[in-house]
Amino acid sequence: DAGVTQSPTHLIKTRGQQVTLRCSPKSGHDTVSWYQQALGQGPQFIFQYYEEEERQRGNFPDRFSGHQFPNYSSELNVNALLLGDSALYLCASSFIAGDINEQFFGPGTRLTVL
Amino acid sequence: TQLLEQSPQFLSIQEGENLTVYCNSSSVFSSLQWYRQEPGEGPVLLVTVVTGGEVKKLKRLTFQFGDARKDSSLHITAAQPGDTGLYLCAGPRPGTYKYIFGTGTRLKVLA
Repeated sequence: DAGVTQSPTHLIKTRGQQVTLRCSPKSGHDTVSWYQQALGQGPQFIFQYYEEEERQRGNFPDRFSGHQFPNYSSELNVNALLLGDSALYLCASSFIAGDINEQFFGPGTRLTVL
Repeated sequence: TQLLEQSPQFLSIQEGENLTVYCNSSSVFSSLQWYRQEPGEGPVLLVTVVTGGEVKKLKRLTFQFGDARKDSSLHITAAQPGDTGLYLCAGPRPGTYKYIFGTGTRLKVLA
């Protein structure tokens, strides 16, 4: 049973470019969340997708957008990249049941903006 | 303000010592999770606590959820170098699907 997978592993972009990151959830999970983790910080919630809709959003600008496909996989898009967008981008999948909201994380995509 | 505060922020101890990490909030959480993260990798789920006063054990790790579900602790007995890493508590922000992380505790266990 494959866990959460993300691609690519590493990415280098320049300021102003656009980037798309991809995530496949753990088998049986229907919810995908994206996080940004700067060096030395904890992960920051970007948004969560459920039933192909953005269900919850964190404090990130509209340059950050996403999509969830019918097979529950997801993409994170970032437009007009800034130097400050350099970070580890984490995808997590979950199957939220009642009070239980366990997030299972992928290995992340390391984005460097030059 | 940070909804989940962890202490201490950094901890460097010798192999064989015991330690406790705390995760505190002024809000009630329906559940809390503890994760361990290695550099450049995603966090790995260690445990979920749901019921106030709950205690869970995972080998040398003991997790406790406060009676009021506002705080949690992680106790490691006889720490080993393999326990080195970033320990994070996390949970769903009350009343939302927004998942928030604590400030983190960076543990280094010296051989």
